[in-house]
Amino acid sequence: AQSVTQPDARVTVSEGASLQLRCKYSSSVTPYLFWYVQYPRQGLQLLLKYYSGDPVVQGVNGFEAEFSKSNSSFHLRKASVHWSDSAVYFCAVSMNTGNYKYVFGAGTRLKVIA
Amino acid sequence: GALVYQYPRRTICKSGTSMRMECQAVGFQATSVAWYRQSPQKTFELIALSTVNSAIKYEQNFTQEKFPISHPNLSFSSMTVLNAYLEDRGLYLCGARWTGGEQYFGPGTRLTVL
Repeated sequence: AQSVTQPDARVTVSEGASLQLRCKYSSSVTPYLFWYVQYPRQGLQLLLKYYSGDPVVQGVNGFEAEFSKSNSSFHLRKASVHWSDSAVYFCAVSMNTGNYKYVFGAGTRLKVIA
Repeated sequence: GALVYQYPRRTICKSGTSMRMECQAVGFQATSVAWYRQSPQKTFELIALSTVNSAIKYEQNFTQEKFPISHPNLSFSSMTVLNAYLEDRGLYLCGARWTGGEQYFGPGTRLTVL
């Protein structure tokens, strides 16, 4: 069975600082990997996804993530955060065969302070 | 482009009553529809996965008797929360995909149970 771990429940960073949100997964094969953002009282918005190829993927709003097969990780990064990035971020995995169901991590709540 | 709509966006029901929510895929054929629930302060759990021409598969802790799902065509799915109680409150997401494609999420239906 697949699982996703986001070890940091809450992260606080200053505006303009760099950001890394961690995600580790467990799967018998390399899954598809995703990062989603949830703003207050809203649904999910896709930030970026990894299927194969270049381990560094670019997403929207300056976000990028790096896949590491050896570490079973897919950490999210941003060079300079803005206050509007405050939200909850979810890492998710999906198998590339079978039922394609998504398994989500617990989420990391990001707070950007002035 | 591919879009997923959900109706209603917010709803309130009395404890012990039922509530039906809908999911509509626009711009693609939704061969597979997944329903997820996000309980307050929690992550997203898969309720069930419906694939055209296959039986609906419910995850552990979710049953057809409680969450009956209909997927009558390639653009529409509905799910009913029967006999809703406080623990059923949360955000219900619909994720739709076509064969070989990625999953697109709707904005969710937020259920409040009084």
